[in-house]
Amino acid sequence: RKEVEQDPGPFNVPEGATVAFNCTYSNSASQSFFWYRQDCRKEPKLLMSVYSSGNEDGRFTAQLNRASQYISLLIRDSKLSDSATYLCVVNGRNTPLVFGKGTRLSVIA
Amino acid sequence: GAGVSQSPSNKVTEKGKDVELRCDPISGHTALYWYRQSLGQGLEFLIYFQGNSAPDKSGLPSDRFSAERTGGSVSTLTIQRTQQEDSAVYLCASSQWDRGLMNTEAFFGQGTRLTVV
Repeated sequence: RKEVEQDPGPFNVPEGATVAFNCTYSNSASQSFFWYRQDCRKEPKLLMSVYSSGNEDGRFTAQLNRASQYISLLIRDSKLSDSATYLCVVNGRNTPLVFGKGTRLSVIA
Repeated sequence: GAGVSQSPSNKVTEKGKDVELRCDPISGHTALYWYRQSLGQGLEFLIYFQGNSAPDKSGLPSDRFSAERTGGSVSTLTIQRTQQEDSAVYLCASSQWDRGLMNTEAFFGQGTRLTVV
């Protein structure tokens, strides 16, 4: 089983739609979690950290389920500019960040 | 600048030549990572430096790949006897530790695009 698994997509959604991505991780000792965004031919950039209680940043909501070892990202009211690859990232104590392969999102006008 | 800096931004080399890629992390960041990304693929972990600890080299694909981090700052990734399959974007990132010895947000450089012809 891969350490971090994501549905590669692509997810093709119309503007204004709500879309959700899930990510599962295998290491139960993982302690911190992130969602990164990567635009075509650009470096990844942090979208948001994921906290145990769940957190929201504008149209974006991240959730963590430790018991089931999955993380989710919800995007509401999708914009064309949300089109990108979304990377799930998991970290343990004194270990390198582990990236999922990413989920591609295309928002269509 | 305040970000992670990588050089060169592009490198074209002939098969069999050695190349060196450089990464200047954000000042004060104790963790430094190297990843590579082939076109349309995910990030492949290569090596991880954390403070004075022995580096985690578990992702290096062969003994042609090596990396150093001098003085806990600048890092160089060296690829010897390059092969065409080494063509990819090589990304460097750095992060800090929080009090719980967890890596915080990693900041990436813009990468070095390596093409082996």
